[in-house]
Amino acid sequence: GESVGLHLPTLSVQEGDNSIINCAYSNSASDYFIWYKQESGKGPQFIIDIRSNMDKRQGQRVTVLLNKTVKHLSLQIAATQPGDSAVYFCAENLDSGANNLFFGTGTRLTVIP
Amino acid sequence: EAGVAQSPRYKIIEKRQSVAFWCNPISGHATLYWYQQILGQGPKLLIQFQNNGVVDDSQLPKDRFSAERLKGVDSTLKIQPAKLEDSAVYLCASSLATGTQYFGPGTRLLVL
Repeated sequence: GESVGLHLPTLSVQEGDNSIINCAYSNSASDYFIWYKQESGKGPQFIIDIRSNMDKRQGQRVTVLLNKTVKHLSLQIAATQPGDSAVYFCAENLDSGANNLFFGTGTRLTVIP
Repeated sequence: EAGVAQSPRYKIIEKRQSVAFWCNPISGHATLYWYQQILGQGPKLLIQFQNNGVVDDSQLPKDRFSAERLKGVDSTLKIQPAKLEDSAVYLCASSLATGTQYFGPGTRLLVL
């Protein structure tokens, strides 16, 4: 079946350093991937997305890389700030027509001041 | 622009009781989703509506869970009777017909 997983459940970084959060997916048919940030007590917040016809997309301080060959997705956060501390989820969309998302377990990012 | 609204924010009930959650999506969003998020896990889709019709309810435990979106705008999710394992955060999200899903703050349910 389809699955989305993360290599590391927790990640601690020093404020100002860059963070890299990784995600593996198993379904080669997935055509759309999204990163969400979830702070304690809140719902997931959209960060950035990427379609399968791209291998890189940049936003404000964030970059998503997609490697379809090894079914790997990563989120890079530049100059990590204390406000970036949260759980980060990758999600894959198996059927863009139905817009069904499958979420991984998540990685908890802790930024050390 | 107002986001997805959910109520209540917290609910504590005893097992075998009933509970209902309410969601009001972003204005103009045709698609509404209910997710269950168990502690330490990612959200899991329970049901997806397109306007007032069900698109996908394959993961909804239909013996105890029900949901409706009668007028194609707000929605309710009901659990009757609740079990201990239903303790979770229930998230509502909405989107245009397809595209980015925007989540509400969730309802935290504790079943004792």
